[in-house]
Amino acid sequence: QVQLVESGGGVVQPGRSLRLSCAASGFTFSNFGMHWVRQAPGKGLEWVAAMWSDGSNNYYAVSVKGRFTISRDNSKNTLYLQMNSLRAEDTAVYFCARDRRGGDLKFQLDYWGQGTLVTVYS
Amino acid sequence: QSALTQPASVSGSPGQSITISCTGTSGDVGGYNYVSWYQQHPGKAPKLMIYYVSDRPSGVSNRFSGSKSGNTASLTISGLQAEDEADYYCSSYTSSTTLVFGGGTKLTVL
Repeated sequence: QVQLVESGGGVVQPGRSLRLSCAASGFTFSNFGMHWVRQAPGKGLEWVAAMWSDGSNNYYAVSVKGRFTISRDNSKNTLYLQMNSLRAEDTAVYFCARDRRGGDLKFQLDYWGQGTLVTVYS
Repeated sequence: QSALTQPASVSGSPGQSITISCTGTSGDVGGYNYVSWYQQHPGKAPKLMIYYVSDRPSGVSNRFSGSKSGNTASLTISGLQAEDEADYYCSSYTSSTTLVFGGGTKLTVL
């Protein structure tokens, strides 16, 4: 069965960096685009970033562009989110999710991990 | 990119039908058929309920249906059940090659 397991969350001071990982199993990771979505405590969902299956194209929300970098290692079935210059407003649970169709992105997320909490706190 | 507009809450009694609206612009909901709906129970990950405006993933009850007219998409849940009580989010692909979510709607089953 499809499994997505996020890790790397924690408490970090403003201005510092953190790298999240998402380990995928149960499907051919290299065939699917992937996304990061976040949810601030008590708030709604906010899309963060996405990447094509082969890593050739990536896209970002305006709120994180220039600070966050999405990447993937298809040999390790793992998706990453490098987060730099963190701000208090980046505090959220970060979910990784699979794009429903293989290859390019259709921005329809059919499987989600359970999320990892990032707290930016001074 | 502004969030899509959803009602903050809706409610219904068991067996009834409810509809949740999701209003965007011609740059997102109105311009593409990449509208999805997600169900999220407290403390859980979201679950895809509808994609391509009205398609259901395998395993999702046919009590859930989706539609779109102009810049507004809708999710209808018929034959409400207690387990349907959750938060519901719409999403849409945008002309900026991004994804935008609605603010979320809390469904209460009375």
